[in-house]
Amino acid sequence: EAEVAQSPRYKITEKSQAVAFWCDPISGHATLYWYRQILGQGPELLVQFQDESVVDDSQLPKDRFSAERLKGVDSTLKIQPAELGDSAMYLCASSLGQVNTEAFFGQGTRLTVV
Amino acid sequence: QQQVKQSPQSLIVQKGGISIINCAYENTAFDYFPWYQQFPGKGPALLIAIRPDVSEKKEGRFTISFNKSAKQFSLHIMDSQPGDSATYFCAASQVGGSEKLVFGKGTKLTVNP
Repeated sequence: EAEVAQSPRYKITEKSQAVAFWCDPISGHATLYWYRQILGQGPELLVQFQDESVVDDSQLPKDRFSAERLKGVDSTLKIQPAELGDSAMYLCASSLGQVNTEAFFGQGTRLTVV
Repeated sequence: QQQVKQSPQSLIVQKGGISIINCAYENTAFDYFPWYQQFPGKGPALLIAIRPDVSEKKEGRFTISFNKSAKQFSLHIMDSQPGDSATYFCAASQVGGSEKLVFGKGTKLTVNP
């Protein structure tokens, strides 16, 4: 069964260090999302890609966060420098797009900043 | 501004009982309403979804009821089982628009044996 792959599953980093997360969406899915989920809350969108283009990054803290999807397939989310408040689950999701909005989520990366 | 409000925050049900979770939305442009189930340490998994052209959708023990005029929708879990114990999130999006999912804050469901 096709699934969204994310790595690493867990990451512990010291504040002010750089950290990166990787996502490989389901093959053929044009739309890719990065969500952040703080413990006990619902996921909140950080950035949305349609193929290699950013569609929505209005909630991405651009002074420290960056995201890319260079060839319109896999994607990387980077935080530099990490802050204590960045501790959360980072979820990647993908969908076919083009009015098919059924989104499938990966297992997520649990980030702990110490 | 919270666009999707979900209640209750937590719910305890006995095995065999009915679990009901409610959501209300503000943006009338929303036209896709999924429910996600999330187990600890896992990503959310799509459970069931509805479009506003129908008032109810049923899949097995899971039913979504939708009230467009009240801008409310709910998830009913019939014959709740201990394996249903998880956190449930409602969400909404605009098909053909930004398509991003806006989530509620979640309901932690516990089904006692």
